[in-house]
Amino acid sequence: DVVLTQTPLSSPVTLGQPASISCRSSQSLLASDGNTYLSWLHQRPGQPPRLLIYRISYRVSGVPDRFSGSGAGTDFTLQVSRVQAEDVGVYYCMQFTHSPYTFGQGTKLEIK
Amino acid sequence: VQLMESGGDFIQPGGSLRLSCGASGFTVDYHFLIWVRQAPGKGLEWVAVISDIGHTSYVDSVRGRFTISRDNSENTLFLQMNNVRVEDTAIYYCAAGVAVPGGYDYWGQGTLVTVSS
Repeated sequence: DVVLTQTPLSSPVTLGQPASISCRSSQSLLASDGNTYLSWLHQRPGQPPRLLIYRISYRVSGVPDRFSGSGAGTDFTLQVSRVQAEDVGVYYCMQFTHSPYTFGQGTKLEIK
Repeated sequence: VQLMESGGDFIQPGGSLRLSCGASGFTVDYHFLIWVRQAPGKGLEWVAVISDIGHTSYVDSVRGRFTISRDNSENTLFLQMNNVRVEDTAIYYCAAGVAVPGGYDYWGQGTLVTVSS
């Protein structure tokens, strides 16, 4: 199974400052069709997950442009350019290039 | 587009339960659909997928016990859970890839399954 390792697991950030989350895969997520099925999701307490980014770097409609995704192969990053109060919660990377689909452990973003 | 899960309950080990995920705003037979679960205080775990052409796949821990299916006439996704275990206790979410190519962009609110004797 593909193991996704997120770092850090906890990220205290000052409002207005940037945040970065890494997701490292145990094997390449490049699929045979040329796409890389790596997504980023955000979950607030008591809420379902919400898709932010798909295929590494494509932002879902309605997601603020302060969120960006990058990477390739086995190393991926989610960046938040200026953290806002509503950005708190847990961020997960998810891959479905390979079965079984897998998630990272989650990174808790909190405000200092 | 909306997804609404139902069917979660308190159930004893070894019992059976069927979860439903009613869809609106899109038709289930044209999209990939998944079930994802989250044990209390834990992270997300993928459970099963059904493709647009009906192919299914499962995480090892539920294969042979759970069955994912859909009813196009009811526009509903199902998860039949048999021989449940204590470790199946979780909130179960359904999700669909609808408007974006290569992502699961719509999620339900979840339904709680508690397995305990």
